[in-house]
Amino acid sequence: QQQVKQSPQSLIVQKGGISIINCAYENTAFDYFPWYQQFPGKGPALLIAIRPDVSEKKEGRFTISFNKSAKQFSLHIMDSQPGDSATYFCAGGPAETSGSRLTFGEGTQLTVNP
Amino acid sequence: ETGVTQSPTHLIKTRGQQVTLRCSSQSGHNTVSWYQQALGQGPQFIFQYYREEENGRGNFPPRFSGLQFPNYSSELNVNALELDDSALYLCASSFSGGEGYTFGSGTRLTVV
Repeated sequence: QQQVKQSPQSLIVQKGGISIINCAYENTAFDYFPWYQQFPGKGPALLIAIRPDVSEKKEGRFTISFNKSAKQFSLHIMDSQPGDSATYFCAGGPAETSGSRLTFGEGTQLTVNP
Repeated sequence: ETGVTQSPTHLIKTRGQQVTLRCSSQSGHNTVSWYQQALGQGPQFIFQYYREEENGRGNFPPRFSGLQFPNYSSELNVNALELDDSALYLCASSFSGGEGYTFGSGTRLTVV
């Protein structure tokens, strides 16, 4: 079974700190790696995504770092805010399906304390 | 407002029954995927529809089936419900070739 393994399961960070969530994938056919943010009672919302032709992508306070040889990627949230408290999911999938047919990680519950 | 609407929001069914969940996508979104999200886990891909045809399926049995309609709405049907089918069911849609599927808020199905 092609898995995406995500860690940590839960994370507590102080306001203004850096939140780091890591993922590892097995399927070398994956070439699209999004991160989703999910609040209670809501569906996942796309946060940021990367393709393996770049090693880093930054959008505002959110950065994805990608290591193709290690088959690992991570999400960094700079200057974390209480409003960032949510569950974060990494995922992988084939780019030709443009983000559908994703394999998701188990999720990380992030709590940012004020 | 994500533009993807799912109904109902909550549903309780008895084991062995059948259920139909509905999704209304944004106009022009000709590709829809359905996911099952068990409590405390990530979503799992069920299947995808493109232009009213199934276009890929995850590791789910045939009692999970779907339909996509020309008006950008779709359905997920589950027959012979089992207790383990209790989950949040999410649909996500996009333009073909578009990136970043938009998820609905889901239908919480409880099988008792």
